[in-house]
Amino acid sequence: DSGVTQTPKHLITATGQRVTLRCSPRSGDLSVYWYQQSLDQGLQFLIQYYNGEERAKGNILERFSAQQFPDLHSELNLSSLELGDSALYFCASSAGLGASTDTQYFGPGTRLTVL
Amino acid sequence: AQKVTQAQTEISVVEKEDVTLDCVYETRDTTYYLFWYKQPPSGELVFLIRRNSFDEQNEISGRYSWNFQKSTSSFNFTITASQVVDSAVYFCALSEALYDGGSQGNLIFGKGTKLSVKP
Repeated sequence: DSGVTQTPKHLITATGQRVTLRCSPRSGDLSVYWYQQSLDQGLQFLIQYYNGEERAKGNILERFSAQQFPDLHSELNLSSLELGDSALYFCASSAGLGASTDTQYFGPGTRLTVL
Repeated sequence: AQKVTQAQTEISVVEKEDVTLDCVYETRDTTYYLFWYKQPPSGELVFLIRRNSFDEQNEISGRYSWNFQKSTSSFNFTITASQVVDSAVYFCALSEALYDGGSQGNLIFGKGTKLSVKP
């Protein structure tokens, strides 16, 4: 158990809908990262937050947004969902800003299925 | 541009065989960080090891060992005396440091190697 929690574990929804994925980092970790794992694209970095502020952005679609709250949990919002958004979404956390100082530990993931 | 290549898509071995998973990376930075993660059938990503670019010592942890060679930009992973529980997808990942000394932070993953260990 990495100490990172994600809810829900599974999510099934329809095209055009909006969903929210939630992540709680390990105790004491300030950074939260979101990754998407799909069969065609593999594991891709979406976005990073550090202590409530956006730190880095990857291949995140404009339909997707995220935030990190004062208690350091994070939410990833996916809207106007398309079939191609079906994937496993991982949250990771680390103590500091990134790889120069620490290691990312991953949550169990949320499997999103868009029908 | 940064890139991680795991040329072996799938490997199948019989229990107790040794197996090496290859990882080749590309980066413009002189300071960078390499990782291996394991994804068992249950789906979670489990951290295995982290290596800094300035530390070329090989590492052994039980049945696992890692060979880091900057000259060939490779960071290979060997499992000795494989077991059925080693069956998983293994990912190699790279993270770079920004030129200003900060950290880019995010991980760039290879496509993964699926290892099947048969009894």
